[in-house]
This record gives sequence, structure tokens and C-alpha cells, in this order.
Amino acid sequence: DSGVTQTPKHLITATGQRVTLRCSPRSGDLSVYWYQQSLDQGLQFLIQYYNGEERAKGNILERFSAQQFPDLHSELNLSSLELGDSALYFCASSPGSGWNTEAFFGQGTRLTVV
Amino acid sequence: ELKVEQNPLFLSMQEGKNYTIYCNYSTTSDRLYWYRQDPGKSLESLFVLLSNGAVKQEGRLMASLDTKARLSTLHITAAVHDLSATYFCAVRLEGTYKYIFGTGTRLKVLA
Repeated sequence: DSGVTQTPKHLITATGQRVTLRCSPRSGDLSVYWYQQSLDQGLQFLIQYYNGEERAKGNILERFSAQQFPDLHSELNLSSLELGDSALYFCASSPGSGWNTEAFFGQGTRLTVV
Repeated sequence: ELKVEQNPLFLSMQEGKNYTIYCNYSTTSDRLYWYRQDPGKSLESLFVLLSNGAVKQEGRLMASLDTKARLSTLHITAAVHDLSATYFCAVRLEGTYKYIFGTGTRLKVLA
């Protein structure tokens, strides 16, 4: 167990809908990273937050947004969902603003858009 | 744009054999990470390589980093079935907090 908790584990929803994925980092970790894993795109970096502030942005669609709250948990909001958004979404956390040691990954949320 | 490529993408090997997975990246980076992923599971950290020439070993796996060549290797010695998994390298885009993963190498060790 990495100590990073993601909920829900599975999510099935229809096209056009909006969902929220939640991530609780390891105790004491200030950074949260979101990744999308799909068969055709591999592991894609979406966004990083450090202590509530956005620090790095990757290939995140405009339909997607994220935030990190004062208690350091993070939410990834996906809206106007398309079939192609079906993927495994991972959250990772690290103590500092970067991976001085390594980042610890949660179990992921598997999103299926039908 | 930082590109991280691994080869091979797929590797099927016999138990007891040795093999090397390569991770090439396209721009300057000083940090490289190796992760393992079992099917449908999360990513587990294997190695953190923070400087040129760094070499780390754990059991049958050994990782090295050559920042000048922009190359890392993951060497497998005397493979066993339990090593079957997908292995990813990840590289930090220098000057940022973006960590970019490679394409992954799916390893299958045959008994």
C-alpha cells in the first residue's frame, strides 16, 4: 500500500456527463500529480499541484480541471465526457515540489465512458 | 518537447536468461526513475537515479544512468517468472515539475 488513496476505484458513466475523481496523498506529502493511462496514449502527465497551487501542466484537455484543497486532497474534474476519455487515472504524491526520491502512486480510478 | 522511448516494447524471455531494457530521452534531464506495473495495478517504484553514472541494484535488477548519452538501462539477470510485468522509465523535464513516462516495456518471463 503506497498510502495514496483514490476514489472511486471504478466509474462507469455516459458520454456528455461530468465526473469527479478524488485523491488523498500520503500523509505529509504536499505535491499531487495526475496521470492518464490508456492503451493508445500510454501514461500521460496531466497536471501537478503543490500545497494548493498549480505547478506544472501537461496534456490536460480544457474539459478537464483539477484543484488541491487546503487539506491537500485533490480532485480531477472531467466534463463533457467522450468515449476516448475512458482510461485509468492515477494520482501520485511526493513530499516536496519534485520527485527528490520518488513519487508514490495510488491504485487508480478506472473510468469507462459508454 | 521531451520524448521518452523504451525498447523493446515487448520482451519474452526464458527463465534464467539475461536481458537489458533501454530508455532513451530526447532532452537534457538529470533525474530518471524506473517503475514496475503489474496488469491492472498501480505503479511501484524500483529505482531513482539522480546523477550521471548512477548505478543501483536490487535483486535481479540493475539500473544505470548516462545523462550525456541520455540513456538509462534496466538489466535483468537470471530472469524469473515473478519479474513478468510492464516496466516504465520516467524522466523529469529539466527546469520543470513535469515527469514524463516512457512507452513501457512489457516483459514476459517464460518458465
